[in-house]
Amino acid sequence: GAVVSQHPSRVICKSGTSVKIECRSLDFQATTMFWYRQFPKQSLMLMATSNEGSKATYEQGVEKDKFLINHASLTLSTLTVTSAHPEDSSFYICSARGGGWAGELFFGEGSRLTVL
Amino acid sequence: GQQVMQIPQYQHVQEGEDFTTYCNSSTTLSNIQWYKQRPGGHPVFLIQLVKSGEVKKQKRLTFQFGEAKKNSSLHITATQTTDVGTYFCRAPIQGAQKLVFGQGTRLTINP
Repeated sequence: GAVVSQHPSRVICKSGTSVKIECRSLDFQATTMFWYRQFPKQSLMLMATSNEGSKATYEQGVEKDKFLINHASLTLSTLTVTSAHPEDSSFYICSARGGGWAGELFFGEGSRLTVL
Repeated sequence: GQQVMQIPQYQHVQEGEDFTTYCNSSTTLSNIQWYKQRPGGHPVFLIQLVKSGEVKKQKRLTFQFGEAKKNSSLHITATQTTDVGTYFCRAPIQGAQKLVFGQGTRLTINP
């Protein structure tokens, strides 16, 4: 199957700093990528849909100024958590669609963010 | 609003026992997908069901899509320790080009 790479896998930062997470599709072009957030023992909550060359579409309740998404190329989307706070600590996972709007998702390895 | 309900939330079995997780919707689903997430890992696509009454098998895993396309199940026969993880269904929200995940069923196994 398709490969999606996410980096970094773990990051610890101080409160108030910004953290950037990268998501790359390694062997296919992804015009659309999705960013999820997952709390321990809970389901995946869609944060935003990242579209190449245009603004991301954010889900209700997700602050677009806090979670900046950039999808500058067909193989790279980035999520920047700005002015991070301890409550932003979570597991962030990106994914890219295999084909069609209801196609299977290929997930990155995830990034575990801990804000001190 | 429409959502996909997944049960049970947790299931603990003895190795060798069977396991089943269910996803139910109040409305007809065009398709449903199943994913597995190992502890500490990321979700991995298992299968997609599209047809009414469809049954697909992957070794010890059997996936079913209900006749009314409102429910689906994943059944594992004779569980092994490698089956440990959380199983999620994913299905479209009616009227929107968006799919949502069920709450997941976390499977733990006593060897």
